[in-house]
Amino acid sequence: EVQLVESGGGLVQPGGSLRLSCAASGFAFGRYWMHWVRQGPGKGLVWVSRVYSDESTTAYADSVRGRFTTSRDNAKNTLYLQMNSLRADDTAVYYCGRAPHDSAWHEIDHWGQGTLVTVSS
Amino acid sequence: DIQMTQSPWSLSASVGDRVTITCRASQTISNYVNWYQQKPGKAPKLLIHAASTLESGVPSRFSGSGSGADFTLTINSLQPEDFATYFCQQTFYAPYTFGQGTKLEI
Repeated sequence: EVQLVESGGGLVQPGGSLRLSCAASGFAFGRYWMHWVRQGPGKGLVWVSRVYSDESTTAYADSVRGRFTTSRDNAKNTLYLQMNSLRADDTAVYYCGRAPHDSAWHEIDHWGQGTLVTVSS
Repeated sequence: DIQMTQSPWSLSASVGDRVTITCRASQTISNYVNWYQQKPGKAPKLLIHAASTLESGVPSRFSGSGSGADFTLTINSLQPEDFATYFCQQTFYAPYTFGQGTKLEI
């Protein structure tokens, strides 16, 4: 069974940092592209970042570029999101998701349950 | 960045109805559109990729169409479990933006 389990969320002050993790199991993690998507309270989905299977290429939303870094450890089957200089508008549930590496459409076919990040003083 | 304008924002319908949700891209994006369904408190679920390819296990009452800049998600014969929020997403190039979402209500 495919499983993605996010962790690392919590309450952080503005300007602070947080590192999210996404533990993958039930599939060949190293063969999939991985994405982060967030959803603010009562809001829609916002794509955050993507990393290719071999970590060769990353991409970010304009709102997080330069502050967030996506990485992965294929040996540990884990995806990470390092979030620095956090702002109140980063408050959201953060989801990780996998996308088949052999699909050009980057469709996220499995999602984690999400982890809540709250940025507040 | 490519903007995805989804309409309507909300939609009231009844069991057995046929509904259509549209997404318009700010530029042509071939068929690089995916559709997701989300229920309250749950992660999104992939319904359709490449504008019209139905995912395994998704009921055939769901269908997608479109190419270029205009895309539609159609649900035939609405069932009670279909009342949810639907999102389109473009993946023509990063950042892979989502539409604002359409809340389908009874």
